[in-house]
Amino acid sequence: EAGVAQSPRYKIIEKRQSVAFWCNPISGHATLYWYQQILGQGPKLLIQFQNNGVVDDSQLPKDRFSAERLKGVDSTLKIQPAKLEDSAVYLCATAGSRGQETQYFGPGTRLLVL
Amino acid sequence: AQSVSQHNHHVILSEAASLELGCNYSYGGTVNLFWYVQYPGQHLQLLLKYFSGDPLVKGIKGFEAEFIKSKFSFNLRKPSVQWSDTAEYFCAVTSFQKLVFGTGTRLLVSP
Repeated sequence: EAGVAQSPRYKIIEKRQSVAFWCNPISGHATLYWYQQILGQGPKLLIQFQNNGVVDDSQLPKDRFSAERLKGVDSTLKIQPAKLEDSAVYLCATAGSRGQETQYFGPGTRLLVL
Repeated sequence: AQSVSQHNHHVILSEAASLELGCNYSYGGTVNLFWYVQYPGQHLQLLLKYFSGDPLVKGIKGFEAEFIKSKFSFNLRKPSVQWSDTAEYFCAVTSFQKLVFGTGTRLLVSP
């Protein structure tokens, strides 16, 4: 079974630029999560999708971050414009839809904002 | 809001030493508990999980964890660590269907 795929693996941008990350879930996984992991901290949930609908985006900084999962499969997370404090690893995780599901994580995208 | 505390940020052990990593959570309702591991250069992987039943949970690679409800704890243990256990370990708790992570513990096992 293929795991969660993410791209790019690394990205370096200057502040005020835009960046987008892509995630392809494990086949059949209806639930998709984006996390932000700042150095020295645990992952923090940004947004959760169930199929193509948003379940929880309470911790997403909506003035600069956006995410979509239009067809209920792949998802993109965008930052526009980026700030220095956005430097982090952005993790995508997916799970089934039966409630007590284990989340499976992708390799992450390491973002450095200069 | 739920919070997760991992008491040790860095642990250094020699091979064959015993390991115990502490994890405490704040909210006492129904929770699901996880330990994830991140080996150098790799992504987060599930080590073990507790949903219900026997509070002593066995995971991969000889790891186990014990859920003690009265202490809001879910400590990770391994009787004898190996150099290949060098990694960062994260405790996580689901609360209201949201997964909340601790800050992680970096384990270095010296050969």
